[in-house]
Amino acid sequence: NAGVTQTPKFRVLKTGQSMTLLCAQDMNHEYMYWYRQDPGMGLRLIHYSVGEGTTAKGEVPDGYNVSRLKKQNFLLGLESAAPSQTSVYFCASSYRAANTGELFFGEGSRLTVL
Amino acid sequence: KNQVEQSPQSLIILEGKNCTLQCNYTVSPFSNLRWYKQDTGRGPVSLTIMTFSENTKSNGRYTATLDADTKQSSLHITASQLSDSASYICVVSEAVSGNTPLVFGKGTRLSVIA
Repeated sequence: NAGVTQTPKFRVLKTGQSMTLLCAQDMNHEYMYWYRQDPGMGLRLIHYSVGEGTTAKGEVPDGYNVSRLKKQNFLLGLESAAPSQTSVYFCASSYRAANTGELFFGEGSRLTVL
Repeated sequence: KNQVEQSPQSLIILEGKNCTLQCNYTVSPFSNLRWYKQDTGRGPVSLTIMTFSENTKSNGRYTATLDADTKQSSLHITASQLSDSASYICVVSEAVSGNTPLVFGKGTRLSVIA
């Protein structure tokens, strides 16, 4: 049972380039989330999904897009990367809504934008 | 504004010693409080989840307490081991319907040395 898997684990981009982070979970969870973690700050929610085909904005959605075409996958896209998007990105999933259900996190994807 | 404050910011203890980490929150209405352990370069892993009616919860050598009246929680680690070196994150969720964001603390960095 792999849990939550993120790819890639590391990526370096130049300003203006685009990329997609992939999150896959094998626990049949309805809810999936993308967070970013920056030094000296708590995790912040970027976007989330309450089921296949649905997405919603979190606290810091600007500059990111997401898609949930399949229940097990949640993609995070950066259309035009900026240095402010240098961060560690975590995907999480839960069986119930985040405020009541336990979150299971991936190992993180470290992104550097030059 | 809903906030979660953790103290101390960092802590160094000798292997075998006990320690207590603190979490104060202003989140209201309160649903539950969680403690996560995050090893360096890894994703957070859940240690405990406590609801309003629970004032103590244990997970092996980890014991969390909750005082919902004073809005304080603590995480006590007994007989620390080198593998306890990690960041410990306090997370509080609101008791409202829907998928509202969790409020993450900045974490306490614990270093256990031999």
